[in-house]
Amino acid sequence: QVQLMESGGTVVEPGMSLRLSCAASGFTLSSYTMHWVRQAPGKGLEWLSVTSSLGDFKYYADSVKGRFTISRDNSKNTLYLQMNSLRPEDTGTYYCARDFWGRIKTGGFFEYWGQGTQVTVSS
Amino acid sequence: QTMVSQEPSFSVSPGGTVKLTCGLGSGSVSTSHSPSWYRQTPGQAPRTLIYSTMTRSSGVPDRFSGSILGNKAALTITGAQADDEADYYCVLYMGGGTWLFGGGTKLTVL
Repeated sequence: QVQLMESGGTVVEPGMSLRLSCAASGFTLSSYTMHWVRQAPGKGLEWLSVTSSLGDFKYYADSVKGRFTISRDNSKNTLYLQMNSLRPEDTGTYYCARDFWGRIKTGGFFEYWGQGTQVTVSS
Repeated sequence: QTMVSQEPSFSVSPGGTVKLTCGLGSGSVSTSHSPSWYRQTPGQAPRTLIYSTMTRSSGVPDRFSGSILGNKAALTITGAQADDEADYYCVLYMGGGTWLFGGGTKLTVL
């Protein structure tokens, strides 16, 4: 069955960097578009970034553009989110999600979700 | 800045029907936004309910349906049950490879 397992979340100080990982199993990662979504404590969900199946197309929400970088290593079945210049408002649970499609397109949605990893940015 | 609006909270009686809506501050929601809906209970990851406006995800009972009502997307829950109490989120595809979540609706069944 499809499984997504995020890791790498921890407590960091403002301005520091962190890399999150999302290990995929039960399907061929190279066939699917993948997303990162986050949720601040007690708040709603926020879409952050997407990468196409082969990693050739990547898009970001304005809130993280220029600070976060999405990448993937299909040979390792792993999705990544490199987060730089972290701010207290980046605190939250970070989810990876598998899209229904292999390319970024209308009709894309978050078919499967991981359980999330917690990031806290605080001094 | 474009925002997706949802009712912050809604209440329904057991067995009742509720329509949760998803609007777009700068215009109308259409099928081209490919609205999708997700349910989240405390401490859990979201679960997909509806995609492409009205298609139910695998395993989702037919009590849940999606549509476009006027200028908004809508999630209708019929025969509400106690375990339908959850937060419900809509997402719209905004084009250019970006998606936008609504603020979510906290549904109470009482």
